[in-house]
Amino acid sequence: DAGVTQSPTHLIKTRGQQVTLRCSPKSGHDTVSWYQQALGQGPQFIFQYYEEEERQRGNFPDRFSGHQFPNYSSELNVNALLLGDSALYLCASSLKNRVSKNIQYFGAGTRLSVL
Amino acid sequence: GESVGLHLPTLSVQEGDNSIINCAYSNSASDYFIWYKQESGKGPQFIIDIRSNMDKRQGQRVTVLLNKTVKHLSLQIAATQPGDSAVYFCAEISTGYSTLTFGKGTMLLVSP
Repeated sequence: DAGVTQSPTHLIKTRGQQVTLRCSPKSGHDTVSWYQQALGQGPQFIFQYYEEEERQRGNFPDRFSGHQFPNYSSELNVNALLLGDSALYLCASSLKNRVSKNIQYFGAGTRLSVL
Repeated sequence: GESVGLHLPTLSVQEGDNSIINCAYSNSASDYFIWYKQESGKGPQFIIDIRSNMDKRQGQRVTVLLNKTVKHLSLQIAATQPGDSAVYFCAEISTGYSTLTFGKGTMLLVSP
């Protein structure tokens, strides 16, 4: 049973460019959340997708957008890259459940470097 | 892989010791808490969780304590092993939400 997979593992871009990161959730999961982790910091919530719609969003500008596909996989897009966007981008998947809180399982992340 | 532990508080212990990692949370509306372990070059890995209606929960070699009065969590690791070396984060979820808010993290270094 594959866990959460992310691609690519590393990426180098220059300021002003656009980037797309990809995530496949753990088998059986239907909810995908994206986090940004700067070096030496805890992950910061970007947004969450469920049923192909953005359900919750953290304090990130509109340059950050996403998408969820019918197979529950997801993409994170960042436009007009800034040096400060350099970070580890983590995808986490979970199963929406009205009964209990759901543990989020994380992928290994994509390391984005903006030069 | 790159370290996630730069500028983090560090706890150094000897193999076989018990470790206690502390976390203060800020949102009194948080009702669910999770401890994650993050090794260098990897994503956070679930360790143990606890709901706000509990004050203690035990797992295999780990115990989480919750003190809602002072908004404090702790993670106790028994008989710490070198493989436990990592950065440990506490995370909270507020009532009505399903997103995680992470604390700053603590680096645990275990010497043989």
